[in-house]
Amino acid sequence: KQEVTQIPAALSVPEGENLVLNCSFTDSAIYNLQWFRQDPGKGLTSLLLIQSSQREQTSGRLNASLDKSSGRSTLYIAASQPGDSATYLCAVSDAGGTSYGKLTFGQGTILTVHP
Amino acid sequence: DGGITQSPKYLFRKEGQNVTLSCEQNLNHDAMYWYRQDPGQGLRLIYYSQIVNDFQKGDIAEGYSVSREKKESFPLTVTSAQKNPTAFYLCASSRQGAAGYTFGSGTRLTVV
Repeated sequence: KQEVTQIPAALSVPEGENLVLNCSFTDSAIYNLQWFRQDPGKGLTSLLLIQSSQREQTSGRLNASLDKSSGRSTLYIAASQPGDSATYLCAVSDAGGTSYGKLTFGQGTILTVHP
Repeated sequence: DGGITQSPKYLFRKEGQNVTLSCEQNLNHDAMYWYRQDPGQGLRLIYYSQIVNDFQKGDIAEGYSVSREKKESFPLTVTSAQKNPTAFYLCASSRQGAAGYTFGSGTRLTVV
């Protein structure tokens, strides 16, 4: 059974720092990996999706990498801002036939960026 | 604007009652999902549906039921058999391959 682990569980940084969030998964037979953001009491917003054949994806100040063979992904946030404060969740999609995207989630990293 | 609408935002259930959470999407997505989130934890899959009139159990389906009579709608019923239903429930939809994964804003269910 796929298990996803995120480290650290919580992170507090001053504004302007570059930071890295880590995600590891036990079964490398994934279809893709996604990073989501969740604000308190809200739903999730997809940030980046990396297909299993890709190594990284970038969107603005966010960069996500994927090393499928070692079962790891990192989310890099450049020049962090207070508005980046949220919970960041990593999720992997199984490699089933039609791959309609059942996701297995990590427990999340709670990020606080203080001014 | 396209998206997913969950209702109600807050729901209170008495012991022994069944309650139904609504989820509607206008994204023309084939797949829909229900997840449960407990405090400090990630999301766990309850049920999912890839096409109309078909659905599959996820990891924690016991005490829940769903239906998929229309492509746009995927309601979740929390039955009295669910012993610990207090949680935040999230509905989602996607295209094939988990592309375009979109979440609703959630329903917070509390047992009183």
